[in-house]
Amino acid sequence: GAGVSQSPSNKVTEKGKDVELRCDPISGHTALYWYRQSLGQGLEFLIYFQGNSAPDKSGLPSDRFSAERTGGSVSTLTIQRTQQEDSAVYLCASILGTGRFYGYTFGSGTRLTVV
Amino acid sequence: ILNVEQSPQSLHVQEGDSTNFTCSFPSSNFYALHWYRWETAKSPEALFVMTLNGDEKKKGRISATLNTKEGYSYLYIKGSQPEDSATYLCASHTGGFKTIFGAGTRLFVKA
Repeated sequence: GAGVSQSPSNKVTEKGKDVELRCDPISGHTALYWYRQSLGQGLEFLIYFQGNSAPDKSGLPSDRFSAERTGGSVSTLTIQRTQQEDSAVYLCASILGTGRFYGYTFGSGTRLTVV
Repeated sequence: ILNVEQSPQSLHVQEGDSTNFTCSFPSSNFYALHWYRWETAKSPEALFVMTLNGDEKKKGRISATLNTKEGYSYLYIKGSQPEDSATYLCASHTGGFKTIFGAGTRLFVKA
């Protein structure tokens, strides 16, 4: 597609429920990242996918978080048993190359509110 | 621990004022420095990608400089307009693909 598409744009869920956030990156971008921004904080790295390599999951805050990327394209971030501290804007970004010449293209984000 | 710091956290200026913000980043293992503009309810948009010490980039009324030896970058906006109101993020790459973002500088431009 022309840009990075994320869905849903807003999600309100009850504490303890599971949620799935979806990201459709730009076609041809081999690298895909998930970040989140909690209120008043910077962007926090969550996970990175590059081509067919094993993802870098070092930013996932707990084992309740998981992500997959199917067919080198669409990615799903799953949060199980959501907690109030999971409330944040979850941003997906894809990038052409390594970041030395091009910046990220971000999606518009999913605002997750856990009540 | 890598830390990217931006100052000030927020800034209120009048239309027509020129302004600048600072991004400080670890100078070791430097690979690239990005600046993004993030308007409310929109996606962050890449402004500049900077790689060389002494780099200066310009886009319209916005420009940026880079000092990789001392680990800082400045973003300048000349003649601020209300449409410049946004959060300006910088991000440091160390070549390991785990980009570290600062918390941003929130700019408010009053007409």
